[in-house]
Amino acid sequence: SQQGEEDPQALSIQEGENATMNCSYKTSINNLQWYRQNSGRGLVHLILIRSNEREKHSGRLRVTLDTSKKSSSLLITASRAADTASYFCATVPNQAGTALIFGKGTTLSVSS
Amino acid sequence: ETGVTQSPTHLIKTRGQQVTLRCSSQSGHNTVSWYQQALGQGPQFIFQYYREEENGRGNFPPRFSGLQFPNYSSELNVNALELDDSALYLCASSLARPSGANVLTFGAGSRLTVL
Repeated sequence: SQQGEEDPQALSIQEGENATMNCSYKTSINNLQWYRQNSGRGLVHLILIRSNEREKHSGRLRVTLDTSKKSSSLLITASRAADTASYFCATVPNQAGTALIFGKGTTLSVSS
Repeated sequence: ETGVTQSPTHLIKTRGQQVTLRCSSQSGHNTVSWYQQALGQGPQFIFQYYREEENGRGNFPPRFSGLQFPNYSSELNVNALELDDSALYLCASSLARPSGANVLTFGAGSRLTVL
């Protein structure tokens, strides 16, 4: 079963624009992570935010977490064509050990 | 430092057959997780191994089984293959942390097609 749900399912933007993806989840969590996947290959970890953190930055990435709303957002600033990929949020539910549970993903397409 | 390697990269099987997929963990990692990803979907958690024992399992039937070896490499076995088992199978390794903040390093996956 899916713990997280990303929104939108697909997003198309021009190079230089910002891309915002949202994730909602169902149960209380230990941490939330974002991963990227290119063309059905393996996933690559982007950023981790703990349940007691509200915002985190890494390069052009900004992640926010609102545990009261059980939601997170990933902002990619100044998008590049190379950012074209699928993006997944993943959570570690408090009551489910340490297994990461993934959402269905947002497919981002950045055109030049 | 080597990453996670999976084999084979692609394979085709017929219904009812059995398949074994292999995974070598990243150096220094002690936990292996397996995921199934159907086309257009997110990865679904199959199970996780820590110190050679199953340490969590998703909603998959017993015909999905696994092993972790002393060198932390792992196998995923699927018996009595069904058409719906066609998917990308992803192996991920991590270093177990008491805080639960385990970051996964994924392999490139094994693409299984069941005819």
